[in-house]
Amino acid sequence: SQTIHQWPATLVQPVGSPLSLECTVEGTSNPNLYWYRQAAGRGLQLLFYSVGIGQISSEVPQNLSASRPQDRQFILSSKKLLLSDSGFYLCAWSVVGSKQPQHFGDGTRLSIL
Amino acid sequence: GQQVMQIPQYQHVQEGEDFTTYCNSSTTLSNIQWYKQRPGGHPVFLIQLVKSGEVKKQKRLTFQFGEAKKNSSLHITATQTTDVGTYFCAGSGAGSYQLTFGKGTKLSVIP
Repeated sequence: SQTIHQWPATLVQPVGSPLSLECTVEGTSNPNLYWYRQAAGRGLQLLFYSVGIGQISSEVPQNLSASRPQDRQFILSSKKLLLSDSGFYLCAWSVVGSKQPQHFGDGTRLSIL
Repeated sequence: GQQVMQIPQYQHVQEGEDFTTYCNSSTTLSNIQWYKQRPGGHPVFLIQLVKSGEVKKQKRLTFQFGEAKKNSSLHITATQTTDVGTYFCAGSGAGSYQLTFGKGTKLSVIP
């Protein structure tokens, strides 16, 4: 069966520090991969999605970036965190193609001090 | 761009009462999906609707997709404390990989 791993579960970072969140998927090949951010008590905002290695689409201009160095690995990064980057970051995968359900990781709660 | 509105934002019900959340899109959708997020957890896929006027049931949950494929609803009959959480609808346009999520309806059930 397929599993998705996301770490760390919680992270506290100072303003201006770098960020790297990692997500890996097991049990499937060539998945679509997604990064979402959820502000407290709010909906999910799509940040990036990828349909293949090295292919990244950005939905929201910001100081975050994403990379997909391997088929089942998706990384969210920042060179300098802002206070507004605080939130709950969720990675998700789906089978390739549209109209597919998305399966979420456990998320990373990021607090910027 | 595509917008998905969901109401109400919050709903408090007595255990045993029914609950409904509504979802409206600014554009015609190819499909609509529903997710449930328990407090402190991550969204979990519940169901997908793709046909105009489609109705699907999962035990006490009934999902509907509007005839114009621009709105949807989730109805829970006789709520239980295990139904607590936030329910999200999410829609996508034809051929799109992206889901646009509504802001969710947070359901509280009073025992």
